[in-house]
Amino acid sequence: QKEVEQNSGPLSVPEGAIASLNCTYSDRGSQSFFWYRQYSGKSPELIMFIYSNGDKEDGRFTAQLNKASQYVSLLIRDSQPSDSATYLCASTGFQKLVFGTGTRLLVSP
Amino acid sequence: KAGVTQTPRYLIKTRGQQVTLSCSPISGHRSVSWYQQTPGQGLQFLFEYFSETQRNKGNFPGRFSGRQFSNSRSEMNVSTLELGDSALYLCASSSGRGVDYGYTFGSGTRLTVV
Repeated sequence: QKEVEQNSGPLSVPEGAIASLNCTYSDRGSQSFFWYRQYSGKSPELIMFIYSNGDKEDGRFTAQLNKASQYVSLLIRDSQPSDSATYLCASTGFQKLVFGTGTRLLVSP
Repeated sequence: KAGVTQTPRYLIKTRGQQVTLSCSPISGHRSVSWYQQTPGQGLQFLFEYFSETQRNKGNFPGRFSGRQFSNSRSEMNVSTLELGDSALYLCASSSGRGVDYGYTFGSGTRLTVV
């Protein structure tokens, strides 16, 4: 079992819709969780991090964490074609980030 | 402020050779982590340095090594290169403290082994 699992996608949504990206993790000792966006040929860019149960909002992005279910999600409201990228979920344990393989999001105009 | 700087951006090496990659973290950041990214395996953790000490190491062979200098700059070395070492090597910088610290990635070094 991988430590962080994501559906590889692609997840296709129309412009203006809500995109929902999901991630599960196996290490109950994980403390913080990160969402990175990676455009093709570029390096990952941090979107949000969350370490408390519940929701955390930042602009069009909302991260949700449920430690009991070991589940993390990222909601993107009013999706734009520029949001088309691979979204990487990561958990942090002991001085390292463990990444999922990423979900490819495609937003069509 | 300046971001994470990785050099070189691209490298082509021959099997059996060795290579050294460099990473300069964000000013004030003392933690540098290295990751290997391949299409099949995604982002794999190599090692992490904090104040010149390796704090954690991933599951890579001993051919992969690293070090950190007193100015927090880090180098990664791969000896006896194999075709499978072809990948994007990413360096991430962080303050290294607390549960909510963020990791900022450099642009990466794309290594091709032929």
